[in-house]
Amino acid sequence: EIVLTQSPGTLSLSPGERVTLSCRASQSLSSSYLSWYQQKPGQAPRLLIYGASSRATGIPDRFSGSGSGTDFTLTISRLEPEDFAVYYCQKYGSSPPMYTFGQGTKLEIK
Amino acid sequence: EVQLVESGGGLVQPGGSLRLSCAASGFTFSTYTMNWVRQAPGGGLEWVSYITSSSRTIYYADSVKGRFTISRDNANNSLYLQMNSLRDEDTAMYYCARAPDFYVGSGYYLSVYLDFWGRGTLLTVSS
Repeated sequence: EIVLTQSPGTLSLSPGERVTLSCRASQSLSSSYLSWYQQKPGQAPRLLIYGASSRATGIPDRFSGSGSGTDFTLTISRLEPEDFAVYYCQKYGSSPPMYTFGQGTKLEIK
Repeated sequence: EVQLVESGGGLVQPGGSLRLSCAASGFTFSTYTMNWVRQAPGGGLEWVSYITSSSRTIYYADSVKGRFTISRDNANNSLYLQMNSLRDEDTAMYYCARAPDFYVGSGYYLSVYLDFWGRGTLLTVSS
């Protein structure tokens, strides 16, 4: 079973800064199977990135995803106040179909 | 506008049962794979169950297999989760989430991500 490890656990930054979040898989996986979500307190998760690098509908272009194999990243080019949240990566497993999430990275205001 | 609205959560004693519902609108429900995902208080996201558009294929996480049953009613645009033999560790916010088909190459479409989520319904299992 492929495990996703996100780092760091918590990141303290200021608005306007650039940030890169990491998601490492214990085994290589297809980039088609890697997605990122944002969750704010008291809200449901929101899809940001699918297929490792495709932005979901309505997601600002300051969010970008990249990576392949075992190493994937989510980059926010310039933090806005509304971007402070928890970010999860997620992989799809095809046999059987299931969705596995990383433990999350909390992005907090410095 | 796509909307998913969960209901049916509440306080249940260990060993009890409860049925969650998810009402879908704003899209052709009958053509989408649907899922339940849960989140324990202060915890991360855990996938619970998966059902294809026709209900032909269903899967469960090992943690709920044999106790939970997912179903859907395409005529009424509704998704359900019947939960039996509830345990303290089932306490969580339960979200329904839509999974669109995505082309992954070699002629295959798979539901590899969850593009819309409801706001969730809270289940508390406690005596």
